[in-house]
This record gives sequence, C-alpha cells and structure tokens, in this order.
Amino acid sequence: GAGVSQSPRYKVAKRGQDVALRCDPISGHVSLFWYQQALGQGPEFLTYFQNEAQLDKSGLPSDRFFAERPEGSVSTLKIQRTQQEDSAVYLCASSFGPNEKLFFGSGTQLSVL
Amino acid sequence: QKEVEQNSGPLSVPEGAIASLNCTYSDRGSQSFFWYRQYSGKSPELIMSIYSNGDKEDGRFTAQLNKASQYVSLLIRDSQPSDSATYLCAVSGNNRLAFGKGNQVVVIP
Repeated sequence: GAGVSQSPRYKVAKRGQDVALRCDPISGHVSLFWYQQALGQGPEFLTYFQNEAQLDKSGLPSDRFFAERPEGSVSTLKIQRTQQEDSAVYLCASSFGPNEKLFFGSGTQLSVL
Repeated sequence: QKEVEQNSGPLSVPEGAIASLNCTYSDRGSQSFFWYRQYSGKSPELIMSIYSNGDKEDGRFTAQLNKASQYVSLLIRDSQPSDSATYLCAVSGNNRLAFGKGNQVVVIP
C-alpha cells in the first residue's frame, strides 16, 4: 500500500482483556518496528522484525506482550490481560533497513479502563 | 543516561523568527540522525535526515550534526504557525531508532 496502515485506530479495553493490534507495512519494506508512545513522551522501542524474523524484542515491557509477523508482511501486536499502565499509543513503523528512515502508521490509541 | 536527550521545555517563537532545537545522544557509533515532526494526535513524520558532520539544508529547515560532541540540532527559519508541533530527534543504533522525548514548538502569529 501507499503507507503504513494500522487498525484499529482506537481501542478501549477493560482491565484483564486481551487485545490485538494490526499493522500493514509499506510494500517492500523488510524492517518493521513497534513503538509505544505515552502522552508527552517520545516513542519507545518495543520490538523489531526483519521479514518474518523477530530479531529484537528487548523493549517488550512484560511477557504479556507478544508480536508476530508470520509471512513477513502484516504484523500483529498482542497484549494479554491488559493493565491500566498499558494505555498508550502503539505506533508501527516500517523501513527498508533497521537504521533507515522510518515511516509511521497513524497508530492505535489503547485505553484500558 | 537516556540514549537521546532533548531537554529544553516548550519553545515559543514569533512568526517569522528562527526556532532552534537541540539534541544530544550517547552512542558514539550512531551513523544516522533524523528529525521528525509530530502534530498533536498524529503520528511522527520525517522532515530531515543527516548522516555526516556539518549542515544540511532543506527549504526552511537546517539540520546540524557534530559527531565529536554527539550533538544534533534543527533550525527552522521564517517560522510559520503551521510549524507549531512537537519535534522528535531520532538516532540510529542497535538496529533501531531511539527517540528523544521531543520539544514542543509554538509559533505565535
């Protein structure tokens, strides 16, 4: 597609619910990143894929967070048993390579009540 | 120490003036440097990239890089109300971009 597409745009979850956030990167971009952005802060790295391989998941805050990119294109970030501290904007970005300029999707704003 | 530091608070500049933003980084091995603009409620969009020491100009924007001092800056000339946004500094390293917390710029008409 023309840009990085994320869905849903907004997600409200009750504490303890599982959520799944989807990202469709720019066609041809092998690198895909998930970032978490809290209000008033810069994006914080969560995880990185090169094609279907998850090469770095060191930024995932707990084992409740899980990401996959099974066919090297669309990626899903799953958060199990959501907590209030998970409330943030989740940004997906793609690029031609890990240290290249990133193109961001519009983000998913997650609110956990 | 955070990887990328942007410490100054909100910056208010009159329309037509120059806005100056600074950023320092900790990884001496970093090779790629970027400035992103983020409007409220929107995602970051790339406005400048710089890879070698010195200045790089693109329209009203100038990025400056000093690897010895581990310092990147952004100048916005002839500031316009549409430049009011948060500006994020991003630095490459460890197969990712690390971002600063951003600097808010408010251009006053």
